[in-house]
Amino acid sequence: EPEVTQTPSHQVTQMGQEVILRCVPISNHLYFYWYRQILGQKVEFLVSFYNNEISEKSEIFDDQFSVERPDGSNFTLKIRSTKLEDSAMYFCASGEIKNIQYFGAGTRLSVL
Amino acid sequence: AQSVSQHNHHVILSEAASLELGCNYSYGGTVNLFWYVQYPGQHLQLLLKYFSGDPLVKGIKGFEAEFIKSKFSFNLRKPSVQWSDTAEYFCAVIPDNNAGNMLTFGGGTRLMVKP
Repeated sequence: EPEVTQTPSHQVTQMGQEVILRCVPISNHLYFYWYRQILGQKVEFLVSFYNNEISEKSEIFDDQFSVERPDGSNFTLKIRSTKLEDSAMYFCASGEIKNIQYFGAGTRLSVL
Repeated sequence: AQSVSQHNHHVILSEAASLELGCNYSYGGTVNLFWYVQYPGQHLQLLLKYFSGDPLVKGIKGFEAEFIKSKFSFNLRKPSVQWSDTAEYFCAVIPDNNAGNMLTFGGGTRLMVKP
């Protein structure tokens, strides 16, 4: 069964550093998403992406965040200057049609 | 903005017991409703979904959920749980008019099934 894959599984970085979280969505999917879950809190929506542009973004997704689909297969989330409060589990999801979303296993980001 | 509440944070059951996990949402319009499951160390998997039609929906692994519009609820049920159902369960909604397909999740319910 096709899966959404995310790398790395765990990323440790220093505060102020840039990080790029990588996702390979399922191959024929057209809709792409990032979510995050801070330890002990709810899974929160960050951004959705369709037709090479952002469809919607949450208040969390400020100027420090960006997404890119650089080569037609990868979907990346970049945080330009990480803060301690960016420490969370980041989930990528993709969907062939609207509303049905398949999730990756997540990348745990630890900002020190 | 919509929100989703799951009132049971932790549930412990013995094998063969019946399961019902509560989910309530706050949104006045039409919604699409989902239950996701996360087994230990694995990714979120879609268990079942409701878009329209029969309010009783059946999902994988013997799970079902009932949409009760008047109660803004979408409770998950299983008549007889197994040890392998030990996982965290998440209810989620997308308002029908949401252009970005933004899932709003509940806080999750950790289910432990004792063998």
